[in-house]
Amino acid sequence: AQKITQTQPGMFVQEKEAVTLDCTYDTSDPSYGLFWYKQPSSGEMIFLIYQGSYDQQNATEGRYSLNFQKARKSANLVISASQLGDSAMYFCAMREGRFGGGNKLTFGTGTQLKVEL
Amino acid sequence: DTAVSQTPKYLVTQMGNDKSIKCEQNLGHDTMYWYKQDSKKFLKIMFSYNNKELIINETVPNRFSPKSPDKAHLNLHINSLELGDSAVYFCASSQGLVAGGNSPLHFGNGTRLTVT
Repeated sequence: AQKITQTQPGMFVQEKEAVTLDCTYDTSDPSYGLFWYKQPSSGEMIFLIYQGSYDQQNATEGRYSLNFQKARKSANLVISASQLGDSAMYFCAMREGRFGGGNKLTFGTGTQLKVEL
Repeated sequence: DTAVSQTPKYLVTQMGNDKSIKCEQNLGHDTMYWYKQDSKKFLKIMFSYNNKELIINETVPNRFSPKSPDKAHLNLHINSLELGDSAVYFCASSQGLVAGGNSPLHFGNGTRLTVT
């Protein structure tokens, strides 16, 4: 079974609009962390935002926020006021276990976001 | 002042050759990783080292051999390269087990390996 599922292979959004990228996860571990990364066409992996399973509030980092719905096992990334530079591949990832199961991140298949004028 | 640097950026070689990719981090992290990104952009962990000790080996062919001379370096040697090894290989680091689960991975810029 997939541990991280990203069901949107591609998304389009108009500049200055908000966009939500979906992520659902599967774990039986009560302690886990969820991460979002951005990969622009230049190829580097950029960390955006983190949400811990015990965090009471949704994480926010500038224009990025995480809509964390624990009961539904979803951790959707919301990008507000989209900019052309937001066009990239976005990956959701999960680390399981208090000590991270070796600290590895398991990644989803990604969502390619294109911001249009 | 690059945090995680890997070399080379591009590697083109023929089947059967042996090649190495080097990785260094100056973040003071104690855990380092190798990930493989295939042509469909799927990222999969290969290896992880914590303080020079191998802690993850994800059923990677034994043609792939990681080496960590110290906690700031993790190199990847690949023997007898095959066409299917063509991919982008990412090195990454994080603050490891002691710090708990919220330490993000910091990635290098990747090495694009093409086997012809």
